[in-house]
Amino acid sequence: AQSVSQHNHHVILSEAASLELGCNYSYGGTVNLFWYVQYPGQHLQLLLKYFSGDPLVKGIKGFEAEFIKSKFSFNLRKPSVQWSDTAEYFCAVRGNGGSNYKLTFGKGTLLTVNP
Amino acid sequence: GAGVSQSPSNKVTEKGKDVELRCDPISGHTALYWYRQRLGQGLEFLIYFQGNSAPDKSGLPSDRFSAERTGESVSTLTIQRTQQEDSAVYLCASSLGLPAGNTIYFGEGSWLTVV
Repeated sequence: AQSVSQHNHHVILSEAASLELGCNYSYGGTVNLFWYVQYPGQHLQLLLKYFSGDPLVKGIKGFEAEFIKSKFSFNLRKPSVQWSDTAEYFCAVRGNGGSNYKLTFGKGTLLTVNP
Repeated sequence: GAGVSQSPSNKVTEKGKDVELRCDPISGHTALYWYRQRLGQGLEFLIYFQGNSAPDKSGLPSDRFSAERTGESVSTLTIQRTQQEDSAVYLCASSLGLPAGNTIYFGEGSWLTVV
């Protein structure tokens, strides 16, 4: 069975600090990887995704993530955070195959950015 | 519609009562998911519908939970004899279905509180 581990429950940063949120997954095959973001009072939104090709993927709002297959990791990064990045971030994995449709989520990381 | 629509947005119910939650997916999306998010937890898969195929009910936590979908449109999630541990946000999502690379879009959720 697939699983996702997010290392940090709550991260507190000041504006302009760099961000890296850890995500490790467990799955015995090729995967699709996702980061979703949930801003206060809003629904989950896709931040970025990896399907194949270049392991460094860029998403919206200056976020990027790097897929490191050997480490089963898909860490999210942003060089300089803003107050508006305050949100909860979820990493998710799905097996890459015709019958694989189920997204498995980590428990989420709450990011608080202080102005 | 423009996005996944869920109703009610908030529901407070007494323990032992039945509740029904509704989801209207994005037009044309053949795949529909229900997830549950309890406080401090990640998203927990409940059930998946894909076109006219038999649904994957493997995530339903007990026989008090059931869901239906009419064709490729509206879905309802029913919880019978609600318990306090059912308090959570119930999220509906939809996608274009298989292949697995299609992005899943989430609704804003239905907040259920059982008192």
